[in-house]
Amino acid sequence: DVKVTQSSRYLVKRTGEKVFLECVQDMDHENMFWYRQDPGLGLRLIYFSYDVKMKEKGDIPEGYSVSREKKERFSLILESASTNQTSMYLCASRKQGANTEAFFGQGTRLTVV
Amino acid sequence: AQSVTQLGSHVSVSEGALVLLRCNYSSSVPPYLFWYVQYPNQGLQLLLKYTSAATLVKGINGFEAEFKKSETSFHLTKPSAHMSDAAEYFCAVSDFSGYSTLTFGKGTMLLVSP
Repeated sequence: DVKVTQSSRYLVKRTGEKVFLECVQDMDHENMFWYRQDPGLGLRLIYFSYDVKMKEKGDIPEGYSVSREKKERFSLILESASTNQTSMYLCASRKQGANTEAFFGQGTRLTVV
Repeated sequence: AQSVTQLGSHVSVSEGALVLLRCNYSSSVPPYLFWYVQYPNQGLQLLLKYTSAATLVKGINGFEAEFKKSETSFHLTKPSAHMSDAAEYFCAVSDFSGYSTLTFGKGTMLLVSP
C-alpha cells in the first residue's frame, strides 16, 4: 500500500519557536509538496520540490522554508512560528506528469500559542 | 495559469438524494482535472480524474464526473447519497509546467441528513 507519512498528527508550539514538519513517501516519486489548509481557503501551496535539493516557492512561501536532502523525505520549516501559522499542513507526493495522482499524508494540525 | 472555482462552500442533501457538486475551471489548454475527498481529520483521497480520454469519468464509491468543454465544467455527481459520503470535496487542476503542481478549489462540504 502506497504511503505518505507525516511525522506528527498534532503539534503545539510556542510563538518564536523553530518548527520542523517531516514527510516521508515510499513511492519513489520525484515531486513532493507542502500545502496549508484553512477553512474557506482550501489548500494553498507553500513549497514544492521536483528533485533532491531542488525547491520552488508556491503561492504562500513567506515565513516557511523547506529541505529535501533525500528523495523520500521533504521537510517544512517554520523559522520563527507565529500564531497566524496555526493551521493544518498537508504533505503530498506525485510522480512526474500532469496527469498523475497526488498522494497525501494524514496532515499535521499545528497550533502556535 | 489554471484555476478552479467550486460553487457552494456547503451542500446539504438527504440520504438517497442526488449529489451534485459543482466545479468550473479556467485553463488556456485542455486541462487535467481531479476530484479529491477529505474525511474528518484525514488527508485527501483521489475520487476520480479526467485526463482527456472519456468525458464521463467514473470514480470510487459510486461517484462520477462529466467534463464539458463548452461549459468549462467538471461537476461531481452521485445518484444516491449515503451518510458515509459526508465529507469535504475538492476539485483540482493540474499545472502544465514542468513541475506538475496541483491547484485546488476552496472545497465544498457535503452534509447528508437521514
